[in-house]
Amino acid sequence: QVQLQESGPGLVKPSQTLSLTCTVSGGSFSSGDYYWSWIRQPPGKGLEWIGYIYHSGRTYYNPSLKSRVTISIDTSKNQFSLRLSSVTAADTAVYYCARLLTIFGVVSMGEFDYWGQGTLVTVSS
Amino acid sequence: QSALTQPPSASGSPGQSVTFSCTGTSSDIGGNNYVSWYQQHPGKAPKLMIYEVSKRPSGVPDRFSGSKSGNTASLTVSGLQAEDEADYYCSSYAGARVFGGGTKLTVL
Repeated sequence: QVQLQESGPGLVKPSQTLSLTCTVSGGSFSSGDYYWSWIRQPPGKGLEWIGYIYHSGRTYYNPSLKSRVTISIDTSKNQFSLRLSSVTAADTAVYYCARLLTIFGVVSMGEFDYWGQGTLVTVSS
Repeated sequence: QSALTQPPSASGSPGQSVTFSCTGTSSDIGGNNYVSWYQQHPGKAPKLMIYEVSKRPSGVPDRFSGSKSGNTASLTVSGLQAEDEADYYCSSYAGARVFGGGTKLTVL
């Protein structure tokens, strides 16, 4: 059974950088069929895709966040990470990591089949 | 890319059927068959319910079904049960991943 677990600070000061890590257990982390993803949900609001990363390190980002987002991967530890710079109160959200299951690694195909439990990050001084 | 459009709420009585819509454009829903639906209970992570417009993952009851016509995808829940009360989100690909705003299902 595939499991994803987010970790990182629950409180970040405005203008600083939010950093989270997702640890994956079970399954094949380096399979070419998966993109490892970050998705967030502000309190009481809907889901917003942040970006994802392939095992090769290739990344895709939401254009609205692209200038502030960096996603990286460490296949030796079965982990991938999110960094979001220059945060404001608008970045307060539950952050989920998830697995995008594709067909032969084609990024336009696929769905998010496994999700972490989510972690609330509050931006406040 | 713009978010997909979903009605904010829907309701039905136990045993009834309810259908949610998810409207996009020819650049997302209308342009591919990779529409997925997610169920989210309060305080929980989303759960995949439908993928590739109409396919169900293992373990999802066959009361849940999906379809698509043009730029609009639909999720139907038949034989409503109390545990179906949740938020439902659609998603597709439009050069990037997009989600709908979600529909809150109330079981009366």
